[in-house]
Amino acid sequence: ELKVEQNPLFLSMQEGKNYTIYCNYSTTSDRLYWYRQDPGKSLESLFVLLSNGAVKQEGRLMASLDTKARLSTLHITAAVHDLSATYFCAVEYNFNKFYFGSGTKLNVKP
Amino acid sequence: ETGVTQTPRHLVMGMTNKKSLKCEQHLGHNAMYWYKQSAKKPLELMFVYNFKEQTENNSVPSRFSPECPNSSHLFLHLHTLQPEDSALYLCASSPGKTGLPTQYFGPGTRLLVL
Repeated sequence: ELKVEQNPLFLSMQEGKNYTIYCNYSTTSDRLYWYRQDPGKSLESLFVLLSNGAVKQEGRLMASLDTKARLSTLHITAAVHDLSATYFCAVEYNFNKFYFGSGTKLNVKP
Repeated sequence: ETGVTQTPRHLVMGMTNKKSLKCEQHLGHNAMYWYKQSAKKPLELMFVYNFKEQTENNSVPSRFSPECPNSSHLFLHLHTLQPEDSALYLCASSPGKTGLPTQYFGPGTRLLVL
């Protein structure tokens, strides 16, 4: 069974700072996804990474994928309070079979 | 508004009850999914349907019974559940083999089993 590990699980940071969330997975896959979940809400798709070296950016968030290292990162630049949420990575294995990380709960303090 | 709706949003049931969760997607997608989100576990994939055919059953106990009458609707029938089945049940859809493989999630049904 594929294992997906995120770290850190909890992250408290000041506004304006930069930080990176890491997502490691145990079995070869070329498809990795990042989602955001606000408290009491459902998951919202942020990024879809479909090949080695893929990099996607949206606002203050940038995601990358290294399939050889089985690692994806979600980099936060100059964090703002509105980014406070839980962030999940998910790896797709054997088409349509998704394994999620435990999530990183981000709290950005004003 | 994600285009994926779920009803009911909250459900309390006893261990001897039978209930059903409903999911509907308005996105023209061909794949639909059920997930379980518990407080202390990662999001767990339960079932996958592609073009109404079940393509994945992730070792889910038989007290959970899915039904997919068409590509827009997905049900999860519940019977003789256990307290440890209390969780948030999320439905999702995606285009399937055509289109960008992004999953769109519904708001979830929060289930409490007493």
